[in-house]
Amino acid sequence: GESVGLHLPTLSVQEGDNSIINCAYSNSASDYFIWYKQESGKGPQFIIDIRSNMDKRQGQRVTVLLNKTVKHLSLQIAATQPGDSAVYFCAEKAGTALIFGKGTTLSVSS
Amino acid sequence: DTGVSQNPRHKITKRGQNVTFRCDPISEHNRLYWYRQTLGQGPEFLTYFQNEAQLEKSRLLSDRFSAERPKGSFSTLEIQRTEQGDSAMYLCASSSGVSEPQHFGDGTRLSIL
Repeated sequence: GESVGLHLPTLSVQEGDNSIINCAYSNSASDYFIWYKQESGKGPQFIIDIRSNMDKRQGQRVTVLLNKTVKHLSLQIAATQPGDSAVYFCAEKAGTALIFGKGTTLSVSS
Repeated sequence: DTGVSQNPRHKITKRGQNVTFRCDPISEHNRLYWYRQTLGQGPEFLTYFQNEAQLEKSRLLSDRFSAERPKGSFSTLEIQRTEQGDSAMYLCASSSGVSEPQHFGDGTRLSIL
């Protein structure tokens, strides 16, 4: 079945660096994509979303890029902070449910 | 906006017992979703409500699982005759529209002894 995967299970960066977390999706019918941040013991926290009629969307310190040609999604975090340390999931939506990948663990050292 | 609330946060029970979890969505959200998450994995969809109607169920939702949303507000998820494999985090989410963000609660962690 369709699934969303992430390229790297872990990413380690220094405080102040920019982080890029990548995600590949397989369902070309997906029309909505979301990035979530999940801290230990908590539920996924919405970061930013993008619809398939867009290729870029910016939020506060975060940017999501969507490349439908190669079915690739990325999350860019500017000036990464220790509080950004968490597991990041991308999710795609082609019907009702969100389909999540396995996540990338971001570790930020100061 | 107090966010999605789930109770209890943790539940420990013996195999074979029944358990029930509650979810209170964001008040103006008419769509409610249940997911299950196991260690190291992303959440997996279980079921979806629009108002009080249960419109979609995953094949993960076996006959031992039942979910309700009787008045279109809070929802309950019951697992009967629990098994070891039911140990997981059960997450609830709500949204205001079909292509609007789903906002998650902090889940109920179920441990089966």
